[in-house]
Amino acid sequence: DTAVSQTPKYLVTQMGNDKSIKCEQNLGHDTMYWYKQDSKKFLKIMFSYNNKELIINETVPNRFSPKSPDKAHLNLHINSLELGDSAVYFCASGREATGELFFGEGSRLTVL
Amino acid sequence: QKEVEQDPGPLSVPEGAIVSLNCTYSNSAFQYFMWYRQYSRKGPELLMYTYSSGNKEDGRFTAQVDKSSKYISLFIRDSQPSDSATYLCAMSAPTGGGNKLTFGTGTQLKVEL
Repeated sequence: DTAVSQTPKYLVTQMGNDKSIKCEQNLGHDTMYWYKQDSKKFLKIMFSYNNKELIINETVPNRFSPKSPDKAHLNLHINSLELGDSAVYFCASGREATGELFFGEGSRLTVL
Repeated sequence: QKEVEQDPGPLSVPEGAIVSLNCTYSNSAFQYFMWYRQYSRKGPELLMYTYSSGNKEDGRFTAQVDKSSKYISLFIRDSQPSDSATYLCAMSAPTGGGNKLTFGTGTQLKVEL
């Protein structure tokens, strides 16, 4: 039973399109995250939600909009996709007190 | 200067070798230290977690934290080909709203037969 699952795994799309990535966790954590991993494998936090409330927003363009319908779900919508958005996007959930994170398998976005 | 520095490698070792992976950091507020292992085209998985200074051992893996030197290490004993992956150090400081992990860039390890 997958702990953090995200869909789709692969996304190939044209510049200017809008796309969404969905994430669900069954670990009972209150906090969920979106991270971006670039081509050099560097992982950088984008957003964090605690119990449906946005708590971290790391200078991400406002074309990126996270939505958390409940504490087990955190979706990411991206408007007007650009070439530079090509990356692997990881959803994670974690223990608030310690920062231990549990990651999904990633969604590989390619913008053409 | 990055908050967390990690040699990207690649590091290639023969099977059975002892592997030492290291990170240095500049933020003295970091209190929680983690090592993640990431296989190709997979998500990072938590390998070791340490709070503050000291050692922690789990099977073939030992994590060390030296807060006075702002230096953390992961040792892998009797390395196996299945240990071939990218190893990411990560650390966080307690904050009022959310725990933001800061990652190193990862060290790519290859264990050869």
